[in-house]
Amino acid sequence: DADVTQTPRNRITKTGKRIMLECSQTKGHDRMYWYRQDPGLGLQLIYYSFDVKDINKGEISDGYSVSRQAQAKFSLSLESAIPNQTALYFCATRSAAGEQYFGPGTRLTVT
Amino acid sequence: AQTVTQSQPEMSVQEAETVTLSCTYDTSESDYYLFWYKQPPSRQMILVIRQEAYKQQNATENRFSVNFQKAAKSFSLKISDSQLGDAAMYFCAWSSEGSGAQKLVFGQGTRLTINP
Repeated sequence: DADVTQTPRNRITKTGKRIMLECSQTKGHDRMYWYRQDPGLGLQLIYYSFDVKDINKGEISDGYSVSRQAQAKFSLSLESAIPNQTALYFCATRSAAGEQYFGPGTRLTVT
Repeated sequence: AQTVTQSQPEMSVQEAETVTLSCTYDTSESDYYLFWYKQPPSRQMILVIRQEAYKQQNATENRFSVNFQKAAKSFSLKISDSQLGDAAMYFCAWSSEGSGAQKLVFGQGTRLTINP
């Protein structure tokens, strides 16, 4: 089984809808991240969490919120989706040695 | 702010040949990590190789090796004996070893094509 999983893998939604992307990990890492990738670009940080009680905004957090339900679970929500939030979303965990391990990504389309 | 620059949007190489992808970065920190990630058409981000800034020895992982020049802030990836499965987008990334978000800062990527 994959160490970092994301659901759903693909989602099409309409403008104004609320949507949640879920991430689970079995690596036992405390640090988790949500990134966004736009076509032809690298990844940008949305939110990150060092543990269940420590959640921080990244560089592009506007329009997003997160919830860290447990060490293994970190969810990203779009409260009212808009078309420019159409992107590929990645969840990642970070080891103590500095490596980040990514989930398979969620392709989100907002129409 | 830290930046990572990949100046080669696209590269191609013949199967079994060697190719080098370039990366430069800018940081004022002394302790950090550098990475190369591979993103094939499946879109999964796969860690290829990792380098700690305090280590002078260049990292190697099988056919993948890096040339880390700390003073020049350069971090290139060499792929030897290129295989068709190496075709992907390759991203160079930087991360702080110190306090703070320890997020990955990515370059724009290099698309590598392997010609049979």
